[in-house]
Amino acid sequence: DAGVIQSPRHEVTEMGQEVTLRCKPISGHDYLFWYRQTMMRGLELLIYFNNNVPIDDSGMPEDRFSAKMPNASFSTLKIQPSEPRDSAVYFCASSPPASESSYNEQFFGPGTRLTVL
Amino acid sequence: GENVEQHPSTLSVQEGDSAVIKCTYSDSASNYFPWYKQELGKGPQLIIDIRSNVGEKKDQRIAVTLNKTAKHFSLHITETQPEDSAVYFCAASRSGGGNKLTFGTGTQLKVEL
Repeated sequence: DAGVIQSPRHEVTEMGQEVTLRCKPISGHDYLFWYRQTMMRGLELLIYFNNNVPIDDSGMPEDRFSAKMPNASFSTLKIQPSEPRDSAVYFCASSPPASESSYNEQFFGPGTRLTVL
Repeated sequence: GENVEQHPSTLSVQEGDSAVIKCTYSDSASNYFPWYKQELGKGPQLIIDIRSNVGEKKDQRIAVTLNKTAKHFSLHITETQPEDSAVYFCAASRSGGGNKLTFGTGTQLKVEL
């Protein structure tokens, strides 16, 4: 398996521009997570989906951020308009179905390094 | 919600020495505690995990201990090697939580020759 795929790997944009980050989870995984990593705040969960449905978006910083999962093999995280404080590494992760008696590893993608000038 | 604290934030050891990283959690319902290793330029990767029905788990040079009463768990790396240099994250989760993990703030481990 190719693992979780993220694109682009690096993105440099100017303040006010729209940014779209993409993620392809591992086939068969029904959980998808979006994280943001910064030196100041560490690894923060932004939102996660189960079976393409958003379950918890309480970590989304503000209305400028939105995420979609139109199908089981694709998700996007959009920032509009972008601001310098959005500069961070954004990770997508996926995991197999969970149950009361099992715990499943989250498999992380390589991340997208976003720089907003 | 869950809150996970991790210490130390940086740790430097000599090759061959042991390294210990400690975490505490706040939610007594948490019952799954994984540890992730993040190498430079890569995403975190699971290295070991422990469930609340056991107190210790070992995998070669890596071990994790759990004290449910005190709500803390630790990662132990013995005979450290340069390739162990990375950032390590602890996390906590509970069944029925939809696989949601709460991560600690990370420990930068440096193994010096």
